Amino acid sequence: KQEVTQIPAALSVPEGENLVLNCSFTDSAIYNLQWFRQDPGKGLTSLLLIQSSQREQTSGRLNASLDKSSGRSTLYIAASQPGDSATYLCAAPKGGFQKLVFGTGTRLLVSP
Amino acid sequence: GAVVSQHPSRVICKSGTSVKIECRSLDFQATTMFWYRQFPKQSLMLMATSNEGSKATYEQGVEKDKFLINHASLTLSTLTVTSAHPEDSSFYICSARDLSGGQSDEQYFGPGTRLTVT
Repeated sequence: KQEVTQIPAALSVPEGENLVLNCSFTDSAIYNLQWFRQDPGKGLTSLLLIQSSQREQTSGRLNASLDKSSGRSTLYIAASQPGDSATYLCAAPKGGFQKLVFGTGTRLLVSP
Repeated sequence: GAVVSQHPSRVICKSGTSVKIECRSLDFQATTMFWYRQFPKQSLMLMATSNEGSKATYEQGVEKDKFLINHASLTLSTLTVTSAHPEDSSFYICSARDLSGGQSDEQYFGPGTRLTVT
């Protein structure tokens, strides 16, 4: 059974700070792990998808790492901006590579 | 990039009525779509997997007779909440996998449908 946990649950930082969001999963037999962003009342925006054969993926100021052996992934946000304020969700597959199990999310607030 | 749409974005209905939510992949074909539910301040929970041309598979605890899923084409899946009750009020989100590109495992999510049952 796949269980996904994210810490911290909430994070408040001043603009410009670099920050790290953590995601842990119990079943390390995964094909990939995906990070999403969700704005209040909105759907999900895919940020990064890391395949099991990769250790890192980068997109702009975002960098996601994956360590299958320890069951952990981190999302690094460089030079945070107020527009980064949102809930960040990680999701890992269960029972194969299709069904996603979501973490509880980290609610990020970046103040100007 | 791959785009998934949902309709309606918001719906209010009376208790006991049925509501249909559509999920469409706009620029790609999806043999498999997924339906999730999200209660306030909680994460997404998978409800069911919608398979084109065959029956949907439901997660444990999800009533298949209450949440009817039809995946009639490669670009459309529908979720019908039958005899809705206030406890069905939630945010329903669908996703689809785009198999045409290299990132075959990536899922693209719709904007969600806010259902309120009065």
